[in-house]
Amino acid sequence: DVKVTQSSRYLVKRTGEKVFLECVQDMDHENMFWYRQDPGLGLRLIYFSYDVKMKEKGDIPEGYSVSREKKERFSLILESASTNQTSMYLCASSPAAGVYEQYFGPGTRLTVT
Amino acid sequence: SQKIEQNSEALNIQEGKTATLTCNYTNYSPAYLQWYRQDPGRGPVFLLLIRENEKEKRKERLKVTFDTTLKQSLFHITASQPADSATYLCALDRTGFQKLVFGTGTRLLVSP
Repeated sequence: DVKVTQSSRYLVKRTGEKVFLECVQDMDHENMFWYRQDPGLGLRLIYFSYDVKMKEKGDIPEGYSVSREKKERFSLILESASTNQTSMYLCASSPAAGVYEQYFGPGTRLTVT
Repeated sequence: SQKIEQNSEALNIQEGKTATLTCNYTNYSPAYLQWYRQDPGRGPVFLLLIRENEKEKRKERLKVTFDTTLKQSLFHITASQPADSATYLCALDRTGFQKLVFGTGTRLLVSP
């Protein structure tokens, strides 16, 4: 079974802090994704990566950056956390280019105070 | 503007009945559409994928239809069980490169 793990289930940070959210997948998947999920807005794509050291902006990249130094690991970085970044963050992976489902991690509930 | 819409109101049905959930989209021409299940506090789990040239797809008690003329997908759960209670999300790929856009989901409640 594909396993996608995220470093924390719950995280509380202060405004202005630099925040790192880590995601690891164990199935040698090419693609990795970061979403945030908010009530009434659904899942929105922040960034994604097709390969190591490659990244593409999603729909809402402002205030975020990403890093993919190894194939199995995809990190989301909040350079200076703000209260409007309080959300559920979900990481996903998929095998390769083409028509594939995405496998999601359990999510990180981030609260910025 | 581009939209993907699911009924935001919860769907309440009795055990054993068929649940039907709707996903409508506008201004997209997706090559395929996916359905996911999400339980509270957890990440979505993939259920079914249907391509634009497929009218219907089945998996056990699940059935998905895809009508590209109506721009609509229907998701059916037959012989529903309380364990089917969850939020169901539809998602479509805008670009063919897995840049999915998700609906906000419909919560299904199956009572015994």
